[in-house]
Formats: sequence, structure tokens, C-alpha cells
Amino acid sequence: GIQVEQSPPDLILQEGANSTLRCNFSDSVNNLQWFHQNPWGQLINLFYIPSGTKQNGRLSATTVATERYSLLYISSSQTTDSGVYFCAVVMGNDMRFGAGTRLTVKP
Amino acid sequence: DAGITQSPRHKVTETGTPVTLRCHQTENHRYMYWYRQDPGHGLRLIHYSYGVKDTDKGEVSDGYSVSRSKTEDFLLTLESATSSQTSVYFCAISINGNYGYTFGSGTRLTVV
Repeated sequence: GIQVEQSPPDLILQEGANSTLRCNFSDSVNNLQWFHQNPWGQLINLFYIPSGTKQNGRLSATTVATERYSLLYISSSQTTDSGVYFCAVVMGNDMRFGAGTRLTVKP
Repeated sequence: DAGITQSPRHKVTETGTPVTLRCHQTENHRYMYWYRQDPGHGLRLIHYSYGVKDTDKGEVSDGYSVSRSKTEDFLLTLESATSSQTSVYFCAISINGNYGYTFGSGTRLTVV
């Protein structure tokens, strides 16, 4: 089956710093999504981005489908950005998740 | 999350007992999913449904069964719970299976 790899597995930042999270996938996909799981366990859909670039406030994402990777950028990080960030790829009716990047933003 | 609820939120059960988790949606979405989340694995798909009485297996379906008799309800059953099924279970819904996924708040299941 398709492999989804995220890097880095863990990331610690000072408040105000910028970061880039990466997602590599092993096959062509119908769709790619980024999720944030907050410290209370809730999963929030950040971006639906099969290709191209999207921005939402301090967050933006870019997917290069032909090279099978996606990047999530977080600028001017805040403590509320802490949690685990997952990318997930959709093939047919199946959505496969990466293992996630755990982000800790320190005040 | 608005439009999707899971019950119970927490459950402790003994090895060998049957357990049923419920996912209820008010969005009238066609697709419903059950995932489990374990440390180091992200979320893994157990079963999904693409309509009433239409279900299929996911990546980690062994030991689980599902049923969907109404659009709004998707049940996950562990026929005989084992300790390896201790996990956090998430239900999700999607309009068309391709995007717009919304997740429930999760059910923490402990099998002792």
C-alpha cells in the first residue's frame, strides 16, 4: 500500500519562530489533507490540497504532486499551535495517515 | 465536533467481552469511517461505509465488524475484545470520500 512519511517526528520552537513540516508519499493520490490534533485530542482539518499552494492566516501549504511531497509552513508560531500535525493522502475510498509531527511551541 | 458525535467517550472493558462503539452524524454525509490511533502509527483505517449497508475493510480490520442500517449511524463492534485493541477510536464523515473530512472527538477504549 501507499507509504506516507512525515518529518521531522518532533519539533520544538520558541514562540515567534517559523517552521516547515514535510510529508512524502509513495504513489499518486487523489487528495492530500493536513490535520492538526490539539493537546485535547481533537482533529482539525487545516487544508485540502491535492496540488498547488494555499494559505490560511499564519499557515500555508504546498503540494507538488508530481514529486510526491507536501509542505506545511507555520509562521510566527504561537503556543496554541502546539500539538501533532498529520498529513493524510486519499486513494480511492481510503485515507492513509502519516505518523505525524509533534510540535511544541514554548513561550 | 459539530454534526458528529461518538459514544461512549471512555470505556474500560474486560478481555473477551463484546464492545460496540457508536458514531452518529447529522450531516447526511454518505461516507463514514472508523479509525484507531496508537502511538507511533498515526491513524489507521479499520472499516468504512459508502452508504447504508455498504461497508468495506480498511488497513486493520481483523477483530472488528461494522454495521450501518441508517445513514446517520455507524457502529463498530469488537466481538471479543483483546488487550491489543486498547486504543483511541475516531469516527469520521465525508461528503464524497475525497475531501471535507470531519472527525468526532474520539472514544478511549481500555481492555484489561
